[in-house]
Amino acid sequence: AQTVTQSQPEMSVQEAETVTLSCTYDTSESNYYLFWYKQPPSRQMILVIRQEAYKQQNATENRFSVNFQKAAKSFSLKISDSQLGDTAMYFCAFTRGSNYKLTFGKGTLLTVNP
Amino acid sequence: DTEVTQTPKHLVMGMTNKKSLKCEQHMGHRAMYWYKQKAKKPPELMFVYSYEKLSINESVPSRFSPECPNSSLLNLHLHALQPEDSALYLCASSQVVVVANRNNYGYTFGSGTRLTVV
Repeated sequence: AQTVTQSQPEMSVQEAETVTLSCTYDTSESNYYLFWYKQPPSRQMILVIRQEAYKQQNATENRFSVNFQKAAKSFSLKISDSQLGDTAMYFCAFTRGSNYKLTFGKGTLLTVNP
Repeated sequence: DTEVTQTPKHLVMGMTNKKSLKCEQHMGHRAMYWYKQKAKKPPELMFVYSYEKLSINESVPSRFSPECPNSSLLNLHLHALQPEDSALYLCASSQVVVVANRNNYGYTFGSGTRLTVV
């Protein structure tokens, strides 16, 4: 069974600074997908960034980037130039594909302070 | 259209009531999902539909009955619920991924139905 671990229940950062959220996972699969989702108080789960396991290159989406270390089974999220609107719960998630479970970590509550 | 629409947004029901949650998407996704989320917890998978057929049931009690009438619509029928079933119910959709090295794969979530059982 796959597991996803987020070891930081809560984090805070000052506006405009950079913060890194950590995520590790455990799987015996070689092909899979990793995601970071953001859930603000409005409760909508918003896809922040995705990574295909077969790709060596780390994914980036504007201010968001990941450090994907496949051998170490690590998938951290870096948020640059943090904005107040980044305040949310962030979930790391793993799946083998659409007919398999999307397994979430317990989440990291990120607060961006003015 | 890049959205998953869920209705109603809020629902209060008694333990003897029958109600339904609705989820709709028009992105051509052929996989649809129901998740249950308790406060300050991650979502937990309930059901997966692939090409309108139930492919995963995560041992959900029979008081929850899913239905996928067509490729755009997913329902969750509720009957004789318990107060502990109160939660946020999230619907999601995705492409059906046959080979796990396909690009541009991701799940789109709706904003959920906040269910309270009294």
